[in-house]
Amino acid sequence: DVKVTQSSRYLVKRTGEKVFLECVQDMDHENMFWYRQDPGLGLRLIYFSYDVKMKEKGDIPEGYSVSREKKERFSLILESASTNQTSMYLCASSAEGGYNTGELFFGEGSRLTVL
Amino acid sequence: AQKVTQAQTEISVVEKEDVTLDCVYETRDTTYYLFWYKQPPSGELVFLIRRNSFDEQNEISGRYSWNFQKSTSSFNFTITASQVVDSAVYFCALSEEDSSYKLIFGSGTRLLVRP
Repeated sequence: DVKVTQSSRYLVKRTGEKVFLECVQDMDHENMFWYRQDPGLGLRLIYFSYDVKMKEKGDIPEGYSVSREKKERFSLILESASTNQTSMYLCASSAEGGYNTGELFFGEGSRLTVL
Repeated sequence: AQKVTQAQTEISVVEKEDVTLDCVYETRDTTYYLFWYKQPPSGELVFLIRRNSFDEQNEISGRYSWNFQKSTSSFNFTITASQVVDSAVYFCALSEEDSSYKLIFGSGTRLLVRP
C-alpha cells in the first residue's frame, strides 16, 4: 500500500525551539509538498520540492525552511518556533507531472503546538 | 487573483439524505483544473476528482456526482443517499496552468451524516 508517513502525529514545543517535521514517501515520487492547515483557511502551501535538493517557496514560507537530501524524504524546519506556528502540518507527494493532475498523496498530518 | 470559496462551513444531514457541497472559484486563466478532496477523521486527505476547464461534462462515480458550470464558476459536489462513512471535511481546490504545481484550497466544508 502506497504511503506518505509523517514522523510525529503530535508535538508540543516551546517558543524559540528548533522543530523538525519529517516526511517519507515510498512511491518514488519526484514532487513533495508541505502544507499548513488552519480552521477557516483551508490548506496553504509552505514549500514544495520537485527534485532532490530543489525547493520552491509556496504562499507562506516565512519562518520555515525545508531540506530534501534524498528523494523519499522531505523535512520541514522551524528555525525558531513561535506560537503563531501552532497548526496542523500536512506533507504530500505526487509523481512527475503529478501536480498537474492534482493527485497528491497526503500523510496523516502532524499537529504542532507551540507554547 | 485565484480563489476558492466554500461558503458552507458545516452541513449536518441524516443518513440517506442527498447533500450538495458548493464550490465557487475565481481565476483569470482560461486553462485551469478543479479538484475535490476528502479528509476523514484520520486526517489524511484523499483525492476524489479532477476536472480541467475544457471539460464541462458532469461526472458520476457511484453515489458521488460533480456539476461543473463555467458560467457560474462553480464546481459543486453531490452525495446521493449519504452514509455515516461520508462524514468528513471536503475541500475544493483550484490550480492554474501557469502555476500548476500549486493547489489553492477552499476553507473546507465539514459534513456530518447522522445515523
